[in-house]
Amino acid sequence: AQSVAQPEDQVKVAEGNPLTVKCTYSVSGNPYLFWYVQYPNRGLQFLLKYITGDNLVKGSYGFEAEFNKSQTSFHLKKPSALVSDSALYFCAVREAGNTPLVFGKGTRLSVIA
Amino acid sequence: EADIYQTPRYLVIGTGKKITLECSQTMGHDKMYWYQQDPGMELHLIHYSYGVNSTEKGDLSSESTVSRIRTEHFPLTLESARPSHTSQYLCASSPQGNGNQPQHFGDGTRLSIL
Repeated sequence: AQSVAQPEDQVKVAEGNPLTVKCTYSVSGNPYLFWYVQYPNRGLQFLLKYITGDNLVKGSYGFEAEFNKSQTSFHLKKPSALVSDSALYFCAVREAGNTPLVFGKGTRLSVIA
Repeated sequence: EADIYQTPRYLVIGTGKKITLECSQTMGHDKMYWYQQDPGMELHLIHYSYGVNSTEKGDLSSESTVSRIRTEHFPLTLESARPSHTSQYLCASSPQGNGNQPQHFGDGTRLSIL
């Protein structure tokens, strides 16, 4: 069965500092991995995905994520955080094929000015 | 840019009423999904569809029902609303394929049952 874990309910960083939001996954085959962001009273907004190829994936708003197969991780990163990055972040996984995405529980990111 | 629309955005209604939450997408996506999310919390998949006349129940048991008569439309219905149905409901869609495309989300319907 597919599963994804976000070990931190909340992450706080100072504006201008690098940020990392952690995600680990479990699938029996090759994973398709996704990161989403959710602002208050909005739906989820797609940030980036890993399908195959380069382990470092770049996405929207300066975010990137590193796929690590041996550690089964897909951590979201940004070199310099902005206050406007404060939001709820969800990691999701799916094995290839016709299965719905499995979402983590979400991590609330707070960037402090 | 993804175009998926949910109406109403907010609904406050009394117990026992029949409710239909609308979801429409203009992208021609075959796959559509309904999630239930308490504000700021995790998502729970309650229904999904992989095409017209195809519907499946998700991981979270729900008293709601869905229909998929047209590709672009995936309404969710509660026959008799109860306070326990108070939550946010998110609709999503994705194209047919091998699963390497993201799901696109609407902005949700926040439902309050009095």
